[in-house]
Amino acid sequence: QEHLVQSGAEVKEPGASVKVSCKASPYTFTNYYIHWVRQAPGQGLEWMGTIRPTTSYTKYAQNFQGRLSMTRDTSTSTVYMDVSSLTSEDTAVYFCTRECPACAKFDFWGQGTLVTVSS
Amino acid sequence: QSALTQPASVSGSPGQSITISCTGSSSDVGGYNHVSWYQQHPDKAPKLMIYEVTNRPSGVSNRFSGSKSGNTASLTISGLQAEDEADYYCTSFTSIHTYVFGTGTKVTVL
Repeated sequence: QEHLVQSGAEVKEPGASVKVSCKASPYTFTNYYIHWVRQAPGQGLEWMGTIRPTTSYTKYAQNFQGRLSMTRDTSTSTVYMDVSSLTSEDTAVYFCTRECPACAKFDFWGQGTLVTVSS
Repeated sequence: QSALTQPASVSGSPGQSITISCTGSSSDVGGYNHVSWYQQHPDKAPKLMIYEVTNRPSGVSNRFSGSKSGNTASLTISGLQAEDEADYYCTSFTSIHTYVFGTGTKVTVL
């Protein structure tokens, strides 16, 4: 059964880093790209970047260059998204989602992880 | 990369048809057929409704249809139902091999 299961909510202070995980089914991990999308409270969706789990190739949105990192653990079929130098503007729900290679469609989504940045 | 432009809100009565526009540029919407649409109910993850401009995934009602002309893509919902009340987002692949979402449209069923 397909799944994307994300880690739980986080509360961080400004300037800290946060690491959110997304555990995929082995089939998804092997055959799909994983993307991260975030949504600030009451705001729209924002594409952050993508990782190809089999090769570790990454592509990030220009807005996040330098403070966003995506990695993967092949032994557990888990993808990680790490954001550093957090500010209150990073308070959002972070979603992982999958795309079959070059399909340009996000057909399955994780449940979302709320990250709150507050002092 | 600037967000694609959508109307903030669209409304219609049950049974009517509504259309949501999504305007970008030749570097995204106009340059590729990689446009998809997502429905999002409050506190839920987005759901894929249309991909590759016009294609509907299995399980999505045929009341939802997509099209594109130039730099503007559109989502039409026909036979509007109460359950269609949600936020809708378009997204497009871009010339720098990233993705960009639209600003989002709140659909209200009167």
